[in-house]
Amino acid sequence: DAGVTQSPTHLIKTRGQQVTLRCSPKSGHDTVSWYQQALGQGPQFIFQYYEEEERQRGNFPDRFSGHQFPNYSSELNVNALLLGDSALYLCASSRWGVGETQYFGPGTRLLVL
Amino acid sequence: GESVGLHLPTLSVQEGDNSIINCAYSNSASDYFIWYKQESGKGPQFIIDIRSNMDKRQGQRVTVLLNKTVKHLSLQIAATQPGDSAVYFCAETPGGGYQKVTFGTGTKLQVIP
Repeated sequence: DAGVTQSPTHLIKTRGQQVTLRCSPKSGHDTVSWYQQALGQGPQFIFQYYEEEERQRGNFPDRFSGHQFPNYSSELNVNALLLGDSALYLCASSRWGVGETQYFGPGTRLLVL
Repeated sequence: GESVGLHLPTLSVQEGDNSIINCAYSNSASDYFIWYKQESGKGPQFIIDIRSNMDKRQGQRVTVLLNKTVKHLSLQIAATQPGDSAVYFCAETPGGGYQKVTFGTGTKLQVIP
């Protein structure tokens, strides 16, 4: 039973570019959440997708957008990259419902130069 | 704003001793409180959670205590092992279908052999 997988593992971009990160949820999960984790900090919630719709959003600008596909996988897109976007981007999956635990993937390390 | 924080950034414990990691939270409306373990280069790993209507929950070698009166959460690890060395995050979620998880800044646990 595969856990949460993310691709790529590492990525280097320059300011102003756009990036797309991908996530496949754990088998049986239908909900995907994205988090940004700066070095030495706890993860910060970006947004959550269920039934291909954004259900909740954290304090992130519109440059951050996402998508969920019918197979529950998800993408995170970041436009007009800033140096401050350098971070570990984590995907977490769960089943929609009360008390359902989120399971995290290994993350994508993004470096913006 | 709402936040989940930790008292100690670093905790050093002798192998075989018990570890106690503390956390203060401010959102009294939170429904679930969670402890995650994050090893270097990996995503957060779920350890244990507790619902707001409980005050204690035990797992394998771990116990979580919740004191709603003083908004305090703790994680106790029995017979700490070198493999327990990691950063530990407390986190909270409002529960329900919306599972936005709010993380604290983390405590680094160092196990001394």
